[in-house]
Amino acid sequence: AQKITQTQPGMFVQEKEAVTLDCTYDTSDQSYGLFWYKQPSSGEMIFLIYQGSYDEQNATEGRYSLNFQKARKSANLVISASQLGDSAMYFCAMREGSGSARQLTFGSGTQLTVLP
Amino acid sequence: SAVISQKPSRDICQRGTSLTIQCQVDSQVTMMFWYRQQPGQSLTLIATANQGSEATYESGFVIDKFPISRPNLTFSTLTVSNMSPEDSSIYLCSARVGFEAFFGQGTRLTVV
Repeated sequence: AQKITQTQPGMFVQEKEAVTLDCTYDTSDQSYGLFWYKQPSSGEMIFLIYQGSYDEQNATEGRYSLNFQKARKSANLVISASQLGDSAMYFCAMREGSGSARQLTFGSGTQLTVLP
Repeated sequence: SAVISQKPSRDICQRGTSLTIQCQVDSQVTMMFWYRQQPGQSLTLIATANQGSEATYESGFVIDKFPISRPNLTFSTLTVSNMSPEDSSIYLCSARVGFEAFFGQGTRLTVV
């Protein structure tokens, strides 16, 4: 089974509007972390936001917020007030367990296009 | 936080040759990770590199094809050996600092 599922290959949003990028995950671990990364066409991976499995509050970082619904195993990224520079590929990722040797498992990504 | 300098940023290589990618971290890290991102795809872990021991490879990746060095806690290299066009990808190194995973800028490799 896929550990990270992103069901939206592509999304369009009007500039200044909010957009939600979906992510569901599958794990039997009690301790895990969920990440969102932005990858512009240049190829670098830019860290956006992190949510720990034990965090009770939804994570927020500026215009980014993570809608964490633990029972539903979903961790959707909300981008408020979209900007043209937000156009990029967005990846949801998960780290299971808490050891430093734990790698990230990535979803298939969502290509976001912000329209002027 | 951490800054990871990865080079080269891109290269075009002839089939049958090898390319070594370098990553330098500005702080000491226990583990470094190497990922491959094939065109239009997500990131796939190649191997995990621990200083002072052999790298641990994921299924489908072998040391002869992707030898990795980890001579100290701030540096690692990945070599893509005997390249074919199927190796054309973005290769990224990563390191964990705290709960965050930081990435290098990526190496965009084209094999012709």
